[in-house]
Amino acid sequence: SYELTQPPSVSVSPGQTARITCSGDALPKQYAHWYQQRPGQAPILVIYKDSERPSGIPERFSGSSSGTTVTLTISGVQAEDEADYYCQSADSSGTYRVFGGGTKVTVL
Amino acid sequence: QVTLRESGPALVKPTQTLTLTCTFSGFSLTTRGLCVSWIRQPPGKALEWLALIDWDDDKYYTTSLKTRLTISRDTSKNQVVLTMTNIDPLDTATYYCARTETTGADAFDIWGHGTMVTVSS
Repeated sequence: SYELTQPPSVSVSPGQTARITCSGDALPKQYAHWYQQRPGQAPILVIYKDSERPSGIPERFSGSSSGTTVTLTISGVQAEDEADYYCQSADSSGTYRVFGGGTKVTVL
Repeated sequence: QVTLRESGPALVKPTQTLTLTCTFSGFSLTTRGLCVSWIRQPPGKALEWLALIDWDDDKYYTTSLKTRLTISRDTSKNQVVLTMTNIDPLDTATYYCARTETTGADAFDIWGHGTMVTVSS
């Protein structure tokens, strides 16, 4: 079955930049989306279609894509950005959705 | 305003069948491009997509659980139902439903709060 690979954790100091990668063979063909999940809460969409930001999401969240890797960048990290982040995409057929294993962002 | 709310039993015995209901408002599942998915998250673990039903009543299931899952809809009640047979303690998780607009973001743009299901005898 298709898999998306994320680093388990990323640590960053306040005001610095956090970058979270997500790798998958079908990413050149399929869009990726990113979700933020704070403890005890449902996920929220922070980036869709690789680099689009939903309304209400701060500008410090951005996304990019290069080949089989997509990246979520959080610029000027704030304490409230401490959360788990998941990438999500679909297999090459576009039929089956899949999530990455999640990355825990710790703000030092 | 689009909202989704999951409901179902909090405790289920092994081998039983689990039935979960997603009740939504603010959209119609007969509108072209709209879909509802079920996603689960075991305690301390990652999200796992389970199933999707679309505006045309087409249904898709994760391969690993395909034989145990059934997704259906009641458009008159604005509900999507997921049944999972032969429940096991490994199915203990928070179960979410979420909307997708394939003509828009094509992502899970609105989520319910989730319902926690514990499988134990």
